[in-house]
This record gives sequence, C-alpha cells and structure tokens, in this order.
Amino acid sequence: EVRLVESGGGLAQPGGSLRLSCAASGFTFSSYEMHWVRQAPGKGLEWISYISSSGSTIYYADSVKGRFTISRDNAKNSLFLQMNSLRAEDTAVYYCARDGASGWYWGQGTLVTVSS
Amino acid sequence: QSVLTQPPSMSGAPGQRVTISCTGSSSNIGAGYDVHWYQQLPGTAPKLLIYGNSNRPSGVPDRFSGSKSGTSASLAITGLQAEDEADYYCQSYDSSLSGRGVFGGGTKLTVL
Repeated sequence: EVRLVESGGGLAQPGGSLRLSCAASGFTFSSYEMHWVRQAPGKGLEWISYISSSGSTIYYADSVKGRFTISRDNAKNSLFLQMNSLRAEDTAVYYCARDGASGWYWGQGTLVTVSS
Repeated sequence: QSVLTQPPSMSGAPGQRVTISCTGSSSNIGAGYDVHWYQQLPGTAPKLLIYGNSNRPSGVPDRFSGSKSGTSASLAITGLQAEDEADYYCQSYDSSLSGRGVFGGGTKLTVL
C-alpha cells in the first residue's frame, strides 16, 4: 500500500524556518517524481515544488522561489522541504504527493502556522 | 487565479446526477495532458477519484465517471449521496510550466 507521512509542521515566527519531511513506503520511492502542494485555510490547492526521481530537476512556484528548498534522499525513502524566511501567507497544510500516470497519491498533510 | 477553471459551487438532491466541469486551454488539457480528479472531504487530504481522464482507482464507486474533450474535462456523479458532499479538484499539467502540476480552483458540492 502506498503511504506518505508528512511531519515537521508547527508554529513558526515570521522570518523563521521549518523543515518538513515526507516518509514514503509501499512503492519504489526512487522511481517517482514528487511534489509539495499546500492548502491555505479555506482555500484551494496550490502547487509549490517539484523534484524529479533522481533529484536532478527541481521547480518552484514563484510564491516560494528563493525561500523554500526541496530535496530527497532515495536511500531513506524521504522527501524534504526546507522553508526559510517564512511569511504569514505561508500558513497552510502542506502535502507531499507522488506523481504518476495513475494520478497523484497524497499524504495526510502537516499544518504550518506562521504567526508572532 | 487557477490555471484550470471549475465552478466554485454546485448542488444536487440525493439520487440526482451532477457534472463538474474543468476548463483549460491549448497548453494544458488541450495539449493532450491527462486530467485527474480528487475528492477532498472536510478536514482530510485529497483522495484520487479519477485518473487518466476516465479511469477509476480500485474502490471508487462506478457512480463517479470522468471524460475529456478538447480543452475541457468533466466529472460526473450519478445517484448523488450525502457522503458525496465534498470539494472536488481537477489536476493536469501545462506545457509552459514544466514539471508543475496545475489545479482547478475546486468545486464545493452540496447535497441538498
């Protein structure tokens, strides 16, 4: 069974940092492209970052470019999102998602709240 | 402003059929990229409902069906049930946005 479990969310101050993790199991993690998607309270889904299966290709949404860094450790079946210079508008549930021709599979999400 | 356009809200009575549209352009749906649909129940993560335009994952009732034509896609729900009340999102890709997923703004379905 495909399983994605996010962790690392919590309360951060404006200008602060958090590192999110996504533990993958039930599939060959190193074969799949991965994404981070967020959802602000009461809002829709916003794609924020992509990483290829090898980690060699990375993309970011303009809203997080220069502040967030996506990475992966295929040996540990893990995906990461380093979030720096956090802003109030980054407050959201953050999901990791596995890409694929059969659709995206999502983790349960982790809540990030940016507030002083 | 979402790349894909969905109606913000729809409603239907139990037993009725509803169709949710997802309108894109020649650089995404019209370029041949597959459309996937997700159901998000309150307080939960999105769940894959339809993949590859019209395919149902195992466990999804056949009351849910998807189609695609030109620059648009649709999700149809027949025999509407109370538990279908949720947010629905379409997702695809765009040739001008390499690697990125693009989403519709979501449709809030209310079962009357």
